[in-house]
Amino acid sequence: GDSVTQMEGPVTLSEEAFLTINCTYTATGYPSLFWYVQYPGEGLQLLLKATKADDKGSNKGFEATYRKETTSFHLEKGSVQVSDSAVYFCALSSNTGKLIFGQGTTLQVKP
Amino acid sequence: DTAVSQTPKYLVTQMGNDKSIKCEQNLGHDTMYWYKQDSKKFLKIMFSYNNKELIINETVPNRFSPKSPDKAHLNLHINSLELGDSAVYFCASRIAGANTGELFFGEGSRLTVL
Repeated sequence: GDSVTQMEGPVTLSEEAFLTINCTYTATGYPSLFWYVQYPGEGLQLLLKATKADDKGSNKGFEATYRKETTSFHLEKGSVQVSDSAVYFCALSSNTGKLIFGQGTTLQVKP
Repeated sequence: DTAVSQTPKYLVTQMGNDKSIKCEQNLGHDTMYWYKQDSKKFLKIMFSYNNKELIINETVPNRFSPKSPDKAHLNLHINSLELGDSAVYFCASRIAGANTGELFFGEGSRLTVL
């Protein structure tokens, strides 16, 4: 079945460091891909998305490119801030209407 | 105005009790979901309703019974609570048939079973 695999956390970075969180997927058909973020004590909110191959999603300095050939959707940010500390979830939306999440990656940014 | 609201936000109860969590969305969406998030932050879909009809029912114990009185509400009732039911339960909604669309989440209901 469809699945999403993310790199294990926690990821600990200093402020202004470069961030990459890896995400790969397995799916039949052509899923849409998403990154969601969960700040402490809150629900998930959409960070960015891409709906077809080679699309790049971007928001708040974060970017991810839908790579069909490597079945990947890695999240990147050039310079992280303390306020980016959160749990990040990669997800795919299958043709059956399910949104399937990766296991989440906790990011801690230290000043 | 909160788009997807859940009540209660916190729930502490004893094993064997029955409890309910309510969810309402004011976004006009047709499709609503329940997800369970365990202590390791893993999110698993439980149920999905489209216009009051059950469309996704994952492998969930039948102690869990969702009810959708109308398309803006999806409640979750849990019978005979067990320790392993302790988790954060998230309600979410989106436009029907839009697998490219965003899922909007509530803030979660943290259930603790003692």
